[in-house]
Amino acid sequence: QITLKESGPTLVKPTQTLTLTCTFSGFSLSTSGVGVGWIRQPPGKALEWLALIYWNDDKRYSPSLKSRLTITKDTSKNQVVLTMTNMDPVDTATYYCAHRHLLAYGDHFDYWGQGTLVTVSS
Amino acid sequence: AIRITQSPSSLSASTGDRVTITCRASQGISSYLAWYQQKPGKAPKLLIYAASTLQSGVPSRFSGSGSGTDFTLTISCLQSEDFATYYCQQYYSYLLTFGGGTKVEIK
Repeated sequence: QITLKESGPTLVKPTQTLTLTCTFSGFSLSTSGVGVGWIRQPPGKALEWLALIYWNDDKRYSPSLKSRLTITKDTSKNQVVLTMTNMDPVDTATYYCAHRHLLAYGDHFDYWGQGTLVTVSS
Repeated sequence: AIRITQSPSSLSASTGDRVTITCRASQGISSYLAWYQQKPGKAPKLLIYAASTLQSGVPSRFSGSGSGTDFTLTISCLQSEDFATYYCQQYYSYLLTFGGGTKVEIK
């Protein structure tokens, strides 16, 4: 079955760079059509899509955060890494990675990791 | 970016009630809309995609409708396990956007 799990620091200081890793199983990012996305959710607030990487290494970013985000994949390790530069307290959120739903056209997500809470504070 | 306006932001209902949640897109998105359910402390769960297609394993009391700019999620007979927050997401544009959420609370 498909599982995803996020890992990374729980606390980062303002201006630092955040690096999050999504380790997955049950699918391969070398298979046509497969994608993994990152979505975040500030405490008590709505979901916000951040980035998406596809099997062919195509990448999409939220336009409001594009200058700060980088998404990469390591197919051999079954991992996707998201980096976000210049962290600010408003970036405090639970960060999720999710699997792109393959059984239908378009970018929505059928399997999600449990999420990891990242707090930005000095 | 396509904006998604979800309403209401919260509602109170009783077990057995019929509940309807609405999402409106700032431009036409055909049927490229998904609905998720999120319970406190948990990841979102995909309920419906392509506006009206039920994800495998989701109870049939959930249904979705709409196309273009206006969409609805209906829970025909609210169960205790349905008290949660619901989000819609458009994927017509590759710049994905979510609605603001609707919290369904116990009356």
